[in-house]
Amino acid sequence: DADVTQTPRNRITKTGKRIMLECSQTKGHDRMYWYRQDPGLGLRLIYYSFDVKDINKGEISDGYSVSRQAQAKFSLSLESAIPNQTALYFCATSDLPGTGVGNEQFFGPGTRLTVL
Amino acid sequence: AQSVAQPEDQVNVAEGNPLTVKCTYSVSGNPYLFWYVQYPNRGLQFLLKYITGDNLVKGSYGFEAEFNKSQTSFHLKKPSALVSDSALYFCAVKAQAGTALIFGKGTTLSVSS
Repeated sequence: DADVTQTPRNRITKTGKRIMLECSQTKGHDRMYWYRQDPGLGLRLIYYSFDVKDINKGEISDGYSVSRQAQAKFSLSLESAIPNQTALYFCATSDLPGTGVGNEQFFGPGTRLTVL
Repeated sequence: AQSVAQPEDQVNVAEGNPLTVKCTYSVSGNPYLFWYVQYPNRGLQFLLKYITGDNLVKGSYGFEAEFNKSQTSFHLKKPSALVSDSALYFCAVKAQAGTALIFGKGTTLSVSS
């Protein structure tokens, strides 16, 4: 979805390095999410944010941190990358409940991260 | 706890035949249910959702899904498959009072010509 962009699209890094993945959206949504996708495991939620002052841990937050710099920007950081964090990372957004759109999420194109 | 099961890792169907991709769920209270599709090297695209009302939901690209509360299922269907439907399909659930979507592990649909 062109309304949700992620940078970089691909990244190769080394064990122990700090890395930041960035997400921007022009949909005007308050809610933003970070997922990782691993083959055979589907998508798992890392962190989510319901507004600029709200940050919540998801299913697999260990080893990750996030920052919600503005309504439109939500970044994911790996403070010290390790090889099992090699995965495809997706950012997503959704509107508020009760607005009629039923809470579906809109996904960015993904960032493929490889940790050597 | 919420959960979603997609019992088939892969579904194979010939072009022109009907297809079904299965999904069952577990959630407290009434669910919101979703289907997404992922094409190679792309993000997830929303296909359809069940919120309330008619149990048969119609979505994009000719897909539909039937909500069955007694069987806690939300199977994705299409009357006539196309080769271009080949992709990875994800079912997801959210409790109406909940916050986050829970995704199944995905089912690869392969449509042969």
